[in-house]
Amino acid sequence: DTGVSQNPRHKITKRGQNVTFRCDPISEHNRLYWYRQTLGQGPEFLTYFQNEAQLEKSRLLSDRFSAERPKGSFSTLEIQRTEQGDSAMYLCASSLVSGQGSYEQYFGPGTRLTVT
Amino acid sequence: DQQVKQNSPSLSVQEGRISILNCDYTNSMFDYFLWYKKYPAEGPTFLISISSIKDKNEDGRFTVFLNKSAKHLSLHIVPSQPGDSAVYFCAASEGGANNLFFGTGTRLTVIP
Repeated sequence: DTGVSQNPRHKITKRGQNVTFRCDPISEHNRLYWYRQTLGQGPEFLTYFQNEAQLEKSRLLSDRFSAERPKGSFSTLEIQRTEQGDSAMYLCASSLVSGQGSYEQYFGPGTRLTVT
Repeated sequence: DQQVKQNSPSLSVQEGRISILNCDYTNSMFDYFLWYKKYPAEGPTFLISISSIKDKNEDGRFTVFLNKSAKHLSLHIVPSQPGDSAVYFCAASEGGANNLFFGTGTRLTVIP
């Protein structure tokens, strides 16, 4: 399977703890995106990378959130001092931006975070 | 501020008939539009896309129509099949390859 993978699939943590999620994109894709989805809503953009460079961050990405893509391959999203409002599905997507005019983003299965 | 809106939370259609899912947007700078299908506990699956330079794109049973003057797009599924039952999200981007703005989704139920 060469799709986008995310680990863990589920994470339950206590308020105040730190959590880290990992995303492995489709191997030839140069862009990697993080989104968050809460119940009854569509995914909301958090941040994206072009290779290893973080090009844009949403205002939803508070100081407690940090994302990295150290070698332009996999990415991690860390949430420090988790709050109950952080409970959501965290989705990763990747795309190949090549100037060919096709911009589909392919999503992983998501990591469901529950903060108790 | 919801820039992409799907005003029908749910839609039921008989198997074999046409399903029409609608989406409206407010940002005139959006130039690339996509439809995704989502099953429970899975990530969204890409279905079909359209650039703002076109008004129609077709892929098998799926056709997307774009009306730029009305800032409206629709997804037609013909014929509808029970396996099409899922939540469908409309998404849009400004500059093609940038972040996506999603609607809130429409739950499609295809009745056998």
